[in-house]
Amino acid sequence: GENVEQHPSTLSVQEGDSAVIKCTYSDSASNYFPWYKQELGKGSQLIIDIRSNVGEKKDQRIAVTLNKTAKHFSLHITETQPEDSAVYFCAARDSWGKLQFGAGTQVVVTP
Amino acid sequence: GAVVSQHPSRVICKSGTSVKIECRSLDFQATTMFWYRQFPKQSLMLMATSNEGSKATYEQGVEKDKFLINHASLTLSTLTVTSAHPEDSSFYICSASGQGVTEAFFGQGTRLTVV
Repeated sequence: GENVEQHPSTLSVQEGDSAVIKCTYSDSASNYFPWYKQELGKGSQLIIDIRSNVGEKKDQRIAVTLNKTAKHFSLHITETQPEDSAVYFCAARDSWGKLQFGAGTQVVVTP
Repeated sequence: GAVVSQHPSRVICKSGTSVKIECRSLDFQATTMFWYRQFPKQSLMLMATSNEGSKATYEQGVEKDKFLINHASLTLSTLTVTSAHPEDSSFYICSASGQGVTEAFFGQGTRLTVV
């Protein structure tokens, strides 16, 4: 089955700096890679996703890159703001539609 | 995007009782439903996958007799935590995918506290 690893587990950045979270996956058949943001006490919210036929996708301050050959994908947050502080989860979906999640990254943006 | 509604959002129950969580797809036919569980400071862990009209497939280590999943229609799946114990206290989230949608959409989640 799919195995997703996520790094780092915690990330502290100064407001305005960039944050990068990296994930690797094991199943080359995985075709969909969403990123979720989870704030304290809330459910996970999809913030951006990328499919296996695309190498990069950007939505305002958030971007995701995918390297299918190396089987890794990354989340990039630019110009970080305090409201970006949350736990971020990457996930990979296999051909059955099953999502396997990374362990999460606690992002703390300090003013 | 597609909408998945999960109820209740919070529930507190006594140890030994059963709790039912509902997951509904509001604007698409959910042929597949996924149930996840998240303990504090941990990632979401897949518990089981259910296809409409079929028995659910449980992940290793998840007791199928304790976590009963019903997916009798294309718009509704239920998870029943039977004889709940404090260690079952967790955040349960459903996810649905199916016809006309290309990704799985999540419900709002249910925070279960067993006292």
